[in-house]
Amino acid sequence: GENVEQHPSTLSVQEGDSAVIKCTYSDSASNYFPWYKQELGKGPQLIIDIRSNVGEKKDQRIAVTLNKTAKHFSLHITETQPEDSAVYFCAASPYNTDKLIFGTGTRLQVFP
Amino acid sequence: DVKVTQSSRYLVKRTGEKVFLECVQDMDHENMFWYRQDPGLGLRLIYFSYDVKMKEKGDIPEGYSVSREKKERFSLILESASTNQTSMYLCASSLLRNGGNTEAFFGQGTRLTVV
Repeated sequence: GENVEQHPSTLSVQEGDSAVIKCTYSDSASNYFPWYKQELGKGPQLIIDIRSNVGEKKDQRIAVTLNKTAKHFSLHITETQPEDSAVYFCAASPYNTDKLIFGTGTRLQVFP
Repeated sequence: DVKVTQSSRYLVKRTGEKVFLECVQDMDHENMFWYRQDPGLGLRLIYFSYDVKMKEKGDIPEGYSVSREKKERFSLILESASTNQTSMYLCASSLLRNGGNTEAFFGQGTRLTVV
């Protein structure tokens, strides 16, 4: 079955710097890759997603890139702000299912 | 505003008890999921359901069962709670759409402690 690895497990950056979180997946048939943000005491919330027919997607300060050949996808946050501090999860969805297989999470801390 | 509601934020149960975790969504979603979240392990899928009375095992179903009698409600059952089931449990729902996945909406989680 699908396996998703996520790195790093913790990431500390200065406000205004960029942050990058990387994930790899094992099932080449997976075709949907969302990213979720989980704030303290809350459930995860979708922040951006990408499908396998697209290489990059941007939404304001957030971007996701997908390399299908290498089975890598990454989250890029530019101009980080303290409110970006949270745990971020990547996920992959095997083809023809609605299941989501999650990575182990990255705790991002943005220092003012 | 879309909503997935889990019946309890915190639960403390004794070893051997039968435990019910309830989840209700108001978005008319076909798909519903139960995950557990543990530090360093991320979210692991326990069970999911595509329709009423339908269920499929996820990656870690042992020790759990589920019930989906109505479209909006998905219950997770711990038949005989054990201390290794102490965890955060997250329910989610999503729309079933031909040809592609859709956003999963999560509840706020239930932190279960088994003593």
